[in-house]
Amino acid sequence: SQTIHQWPATLVQPVGSPLSLECTVEGTSNPNLYWYRQAAGRGLQLLFYSVGIGQISSEVPQNLSASRPQDRQFILSSKKLLLSDSGFYLCATSGLAGNTGELFFGEGSRLTVL
Amino acid sequence: GENVEQHPSTLSVQEGDSAVIKCTYSDSASNYFPWYKQELGKRPQLIIDIRSNVGEKKDQRIAVTLNKTAKHFSLHITETQPEDSAVYFCAASIKGGSYIPTFGRGTSLIVHP
Repeated sequence: SQTIHQWPATLVQPVGSPLSLECTVEGTSNPNLYWYRQAAGRGLQLLFYSVGIGQISSEVPQNLSASRPQDRQFILSSKKLLLSDSGFYLCATSGLAGNTGELFFGEGSRLTVL
Repeated sequence: GENVEQHPSTLSVQEGDSAVIKCTYSDSASNYFPWYKQELGKRPQLIIDIRSNVGEKKDQRIAVTLNKTAKHFSLHITETQPEDSAVYFCAASIKGGSYIPTFGRGTSLIVHP
């Protein structure tokens, strides 16, 4: 079956600590992959997208980075978190359902930076 | 690039009333217009979409209309129920290739029982 997995679901991190969020997709090949952030429960801000292994496009300059080491794996990272990095992070793919254009989102990772 | 404006930001209705959310887009090349519903603390999920070769699409209590000339599209929910309460996002994109949707800022719909 075609699914998208994202973890961890919740994390609380101190300012200055590193971050790693992981997303994997099953049941499709060469999917487009995206990282979005939601602050204050509203607005989907596109952070990164990838159309293939090692191909990352950044939409917003910040202290976050993304990597795609495998076809169906997308990782969001930070070396040093800021308070402003708190939010709800969503991985998404348009690779399920035969590239109809629909985005499928992971369950989300709620990050609180203290 | 594409710019999508969504209104209103908050919409409060009584159960049984209709709700309408409107979006405008700027890129006339956009040809795919999905609507997503996000319940509190959950992920957005597609509820309906429309392509540029269609003017209206219905699915039970929800419908979407598209006016390509005016570059706007709307979501209509009839006979609203409390479970319709959520944040709704519109989006616009050019299907194919590196598909990158542009989202509106969202509308928080509250349906009062």
